[in-house]
Amino acid sequence: GAVVSQHPSWVICKSGTSVKIECRSLDFQATTMFWYRQFPKQSLMLMATSNEGSKATYEQGVEKDKFLINHASLTLSTLTVTSAHPEDSSFYICSARGRQGLYTQYFGPGTRLTVL
Amino acid sequence: GNSVTQMEGPVTLSEEAFLTINCTYTATGYPSLFWYVQYPGEGLQLLLKATKADDKGSNKGFEATYRKETTSFHLEKGSVQVSDSAVYFCALSVYSGGGADGLTFGKGTHLIIQP
Repeated sequence: GAVVSQHPSWVICKSGTSVKIECRSLDFQATTMFWYRQFPKQSLMLMATSNEGSKATYEQGVEKDKFLINHASLTLSTLTVTSAHPEDSSFYICSARGRQGLYTQYFGPGTRLTVL
Repeated sequence: GNSVTQMEGPVTLSEEAFLTINCTYTATGYPSLFWYVQYPGEGLQLLLKATKADDKGSNKGFEATYRKETTSFHLEKGSVQVSDSAVYFCALSVYSGGGADGLTFGKGTHLIIQP
């Protein structure tokens, strides 16, 4: 149980375009979803926290207008990278937490974004 | 703010060797502590956790004890296997209201087990 999927698993786009990444909880209702960014050979950095039906809370230094997060349902959150640039190239990982297990986050497999 | 420091690898051991990966933390409030593992080509998986001081988390032969006095959560395993080769992340989160906050991760330790 507790499976989280991400789509796409990898995407290549041109500079200036927007890219949407989906995060789905497949077998549980995710009241909270988190978005992380991982640079090569570095740790994961929390970007934002989203609760279903509420606006996302962004970490300091993360541009809200560049990284749009929508958590429209209990099983789906989306991250849209707007006007992407090469420095946005990274590995984006989502995690989800249900109503039970207040400490346990289940991670998606990640999405590799490459901006040319 | 919150931070996690863990030994950086790669750490290379022979099969059946004893493993220790050090992890120390600083946190505002009372954190819960976690070890996550990332196998090649896969997503992060929770390996074990401890939510209060002196708790011991254990799973698949791995153990870690929440030491508040030394702000540490070192990961240990008595006899490693080749299949344990992966990247291990120490992490913490602080409980606030409706649940634990997002995780603060260490940089990860790449573990390589040789047959």
